[in-house]
Amino acid sequence: SAVISQKPSRDICQRGTSLTIQCQVDSQVTMMFWYRQQPGQSLTLIATANQGSEATYESGFVIDKFPISRPNLTFSTLTVSNMSPEDSSIYLCSVGGGGVLLDYGYTFGSGTRLTVV
Amino acid sequence: RKEVEQDPGPFNVPEGATVAFNCTYSNSASQSFFWYRQDCRKEPKLLMSVYSSGNEDGRFTAQLNRASQYISLLIRDSKLSDSATYLCVVSYNAGKSTFGDGTTLTVKP
Repeated sequence: SAVISQKPSRDICQRGTSLTIQCQVDSQVTMMFWYRQQPGQSLTLIATANQGSEATYESGFVIDKFPISRPNLTFSTLTVSNMSPEDSSIYLCSVGGGGVLLDYGYTFGSGTRLTVV
Repeated sequence: RKEVEQDPGPFNVPEGATVAFNCTYSNSASQSFFWYRQDCRKEPKLLMSVYSSGNEDGRFTAQLNRASQYISLLIRDSKLSDSATYLCVVSYNAGKSTFGDGTTLTVKP
């Protein structure tokens, strides 16, 4: 399975600022996914990042707040813009979901623990 | 109603016990099913994919019942190291995955 390097692993940010999270994959992948995991909750998909096209956002998430870049098949960034304390969460990137039966599952980066003060 | 619902837990069991987790999903078009394990402050890691025929990996057995839209995970002979949160995940295409809220298991000596 793919190996993902995600950074930063954690950050404490002032409200109103922005943070860019990076994910580097050791192999070329078509789709990368960005998730948010709020304290004590499960993962929620923010968007799907495809190389060469705009990201596809899930309901409740917008490009102005979470701009995504996907410059090539091994790299993606997620920016959390104009942060507020409600954005405090763990952000994870993920790849996978392939296979003939779509049963390969997903590999996750180690996550970015964001605290907004 | 949530798309994926799991037993709320927590489950506290002694070492050696057998424990079962249940999960139901609402989207009948779902195509693939997984159990993930998430340790505290760590990312989720794939435990096993789940098939209609059922599948077993050592002490872990997963079952899928498409008619009832139900998935289960059975852990036999629980170890202390099995303590974690177990996430039920359902996908209806290669990109769209929905995670359950997770069931926390604590195995005690």
